[in-house]
Amino acid sequence: QVQLVESGGGLVKPGGSLRLSCAASGFTFSDYYMSWIRQAPGKGLEWVSYISSSGSTIYYADSVKGRFTISRDNAKNSLYLQMNSLRAEDTAVYYCARVQLSEGYYFDYWGQGTLVTVSS
Amino acid sequence: QSVLTQPPSVSAAPGQKVTISCSGSSSNIGNNYVSWYQQLPGTAPKLLIYDNNKRPSGIPDRFSGSKSGTSATLGITGLQTGDEADYYCGTWDSSLSALFGTGTKVTVL
Repeated sequence: QVQLVESGGGLVKPGGSLRLSCAASGFTFSDYYMSWIRQAPGKGLEWVSYISSSGSTIYYADSVKGRFTISRDNAKNSLYLQMNSLRAEDTAVYYCARVQLSEGYYFDYWGQGTLVTVSS
Repeated sequence: QSVLTQPPSVSAAPGQKVTISCSGSSSNIGNNYVSWYQQLPGTAPKLLIYDNNKRPSGIPDRFSGSKSGTSATLGITGLQTGDEADYYCGTWDSSLSALFGTGTKVTVL
């Protein structure tokens, strides 16, 4: 069965950095686009970034562009999110999700999330 | 600020029906397919509907989706206490960014 397990969250000071990881299993990781989506405490979902199956195509939300970098290692079945220049408003649970394409794109599997707290 | 607008909350008694609207524009819903996600308290979101009206395997037919123009609707019939959750619509926009709705809390009275 498809499993996505995030790790790397924690408490970091404003201006600091953190690297999130997502370990994938139960499917051919290299066949799928992957994405990061976050949810601030008590708030709604916000898409952060996605990366194509090969890693050649990447898009970011304007709110993280220039500060966050998405990457993947298909040999390790892993997705990453390098977060730099962190701000208080980046505090959220970060989910990795698999992107599926049928007629349209959608997120068919989600991890359990990892909490990132940006605070001094 | 999400550009997909949903009502903050809807409620109904067990066994009744609720509908949740998701309003967008021609640059997102109007030209893309819509998906819906259910988030039970304290858990990760789960796919409920994709391609406007298709259900993944395992999702009961009490859940349905539709789209017309720049709006989409999620319907839940035969409401159960286990349906109490937050529901989000999702789509993509012309700049290839994913979008989510503002979210709707469903309460079973």
